[in-house]
Amino acid sequence: AQRVTQPEKLLSVFKGAPVELKCNYSYSGSPELFWYVQYSRQRLQLLLRHISRESIKGFTADLNKGETSFHLKKPFAQEEDSAMYYCALSGRGGTDKLIFGTGTRLQVFP
Amino acid sequence: GAGVSQSPSNKVTEKGKDVELRCDPISGHTALYWYRQSLGQGLEFLIYFQGNSAPDKSGLPSDRFSAERTGGSVSTLTIQRTQQEDSAVYLCASSPDSDTQYFGPGTRLTVL
Repeated sequence: AQRVTQPEKLLSVFKGAPVELKCNYSYSGSPELFWYVQYSRQRLQLLLRHISRESIKGFTADLNKGETSFHLKKPFAQEEDSAMYYCALSGRGGTDKLIFGTGTRLQVFP
Repeated sequence: GAGVSQSPSNKVTEKGKDVELRCDPISGHTALYWYRQSLGQGLEFLIYFQGNSAPDKSGLPSDRFSAERTGGSVSTLTIQRTQQEDSAVYLCASSPDSDTQYFGPGTRLTVL
């Protein structure tokens, strides 16, 4: 079965602390993995995708096929990182439907 | 440029009534998706249109839900005989070939 699991509903850290939002997936084949972010009162937007292997707003995520994980990391959290983060997968090329995890709310305190 | 737009932004209806939700995708995007965001279920895929291909309806929760995409552009999601469990934010997204999905602001549906 296709599934994305985000075990933490809420993650609270202080500004400057490291952050890791966990994501595990189950998929038969080679999925494409994404992190989407939704800031307060804004629309859902792409943060990063594993094939790009880039860092966006200081966030990185490495696809670990052995552990079927795609954890999102940032070494030093900022208050403006407070948002809802969704891990998602798609079957091919990013144009197939997205299967989302239930999301993790990140709160960064000053 | 203009992003994905959805209307109405909010819709309150009575149980048993039909509702129509509209999505205007980004011009030139061939793929269009509908998702539902609810407290209990998170973000769920509903239906996917790609060009002239038959839509992928595998996520529609019941036969009360249907969607059309006219002329390869605007899409309408219709929910017949609404139930309270249909209350959610309905999100539309569009995508060019082989690229990122761009989401609209959503329509918040409340069924009383």
